Amino acid sequence: AQKVTQAQTEISVVEKEDVTLDCVYETRDTTYYLFWYKQPPSGELVFLIRRNSFDEQNEISGRYSWNFQKSTSSFNFTITASQVVDSAVYFCALTDLTNTGNQFYFGTGTSLTVIP
Amino acid sequence: NAGVTQTPKFRVLKTGQSMTLLCAQDMNHEYMYWYRQDPGMGLRLIHYSVGEGTTAKGEVPDGYNVSRLKKQNFLLGLESAAPSQTSVYFCASNAVGLAGGHSSYEQYFGPGTRLTVT
Repeated sequence: AQKVTQAQTEISVVEKEDVTLDCVYETRDTTYYLFWYKQPPSGELVFLIRRNSFDEQNEISGRYSWNFQKSTSSFNFTITASQVVDSAVYFCALTDLTNTGNQFYFGTGTSLTVIP
Repeated sequence: NAGVTQTPKFRVLKTGQSMTLLCAQDMNHEYMYWYRQDPGMGLRLIHYSVGEGTTAKGEVPDGYNVSRLKKQNFLLGLESAAPSQTSVYFCASNAVGLAGGHSSYEQYFGPGTRLTVT
């Protein structure tokens, strides 16, 4: 069965601190895709990144970076030098080839508050 | 492109009333989804569709019905609303990009509908 766990329910950091959001996933498939979405206070869901199971290279995009480790089934998200605009709920999601309809399995989200 | 749109944005219903939420996408996506979001529970899939004329149950389908008469539209119906259906509802769509009907692409989400049932 597929499952995504985001154990950190809420995190607060002071502006300019670095913060890492954890995501642990479960799937029996060898081909799968992982995603991160951001949900700011305005409520919309914003796609951040997609990673496939065959590509374990870390990715950096500005202040954002992602660490994918198959050995620990983790896909962690780090924000460097956090800013108030980073305050949001962040969701990790998984899809694989064993489910019909390309269903996504979402974690319960991590609420990040960046204090100025 | 408008992407994924949802109508209405807000709605208040009384217990027992019915309503339909409309989702429309202009990206020619095959797959469409309805989720509900509740505090501390993330996004849970209600129903989904893999093409025009098809629908399937997700994780929490009870109390909801859906229809996909046109490829670009996906309707979510509540026949007899209950307070437990108070939630934020999101529609999403997804392109099919791999053989076998699977996709590596992200889901595109609408702005959400906030529904309160009193």
